[in-house]
Amino acid sequence: AQSVSQHNHHVILSEAASLELGCNYSYGGTVNLFWYVQYPGQHLQLLLKYFSGDPLVKGIKGFEAEFIKSKFSFNLRKPSVQWSDTAEYFCAVNGGGSARQLTFGSGTQLTVLP
Amino acid sequence: DTAVSQTPKYLVTQMGNDKSIKCEQNLGHDTMYWYKQDSKKFLKIMFSYNNKELIINETVPNRFSPKSPDKAHLNLHINSLELGDSAVYFCASSQGAHGGRNQPQHFGDGTRLSIL
Repeated sequence: AQSVSQHNHHVILSEAASLELGCNYSYGGTVNLFWYVQYPGQHLQLLLKYFSGDPLVKGIKGFEAEFIKSKFSFNLRKPSVQWSDTAEYFCAVNGGGSARQLTFGSGTQLTVLP
Repeated sequence: DTAVSQTPKYLVTQMGNDKSIKCEQNLGHDTMYWYKQDSKKFLKIMFSYNNKELIINETVPNRFSPKSPDKAHLNLHINSLELGDSAVYFCASSQGAHGGRNQPQHFGDGTRLSIL
């Protein structure tokens, strides 16, 4: 079975601070990795995804994530956050092939203070 | 045009009632999902249908019954609603795997179900 851990439950930053949100997964095979963002009262939107190739993936709104296979990690980063980045961030994983089921982490609430 | 649309957006009802949530996607995807997000924002898969066939059925009370009349629709019917059913229910869709790559899922806006 696959599982995802997000250790930071709530992160509070000031504008222009750098961000790193941790995500660790457990799954023995090939994985597809995703970060989703949920703005207050809205649906989940895809920030970025990793399938294969370059382990550093760039997403929308200046976010990036690095896949480190040896650490089973897929941390999300942004060099300078904005107030509008305040949202809930979810890491998700599924195995490749026919296993379409997404397993989500428990989410990290990011609050950016103006 | 909304890619994945759910109705209603809000649903407030009493314990014991039966209710349905509808979901439609216009992306041409072949797989649709229902997720439940609890008060702590934890998201959990409930069901998944591929081309109208059930492929994922997590441990969900049998009071919950998904119905897929065609691959663009996946409705969720809930019988005998209980207090613990209060949550936000998200519908999602995706295109099947290509070369081992499961395509990202697109989510609807969610249905906030409150049981009185």
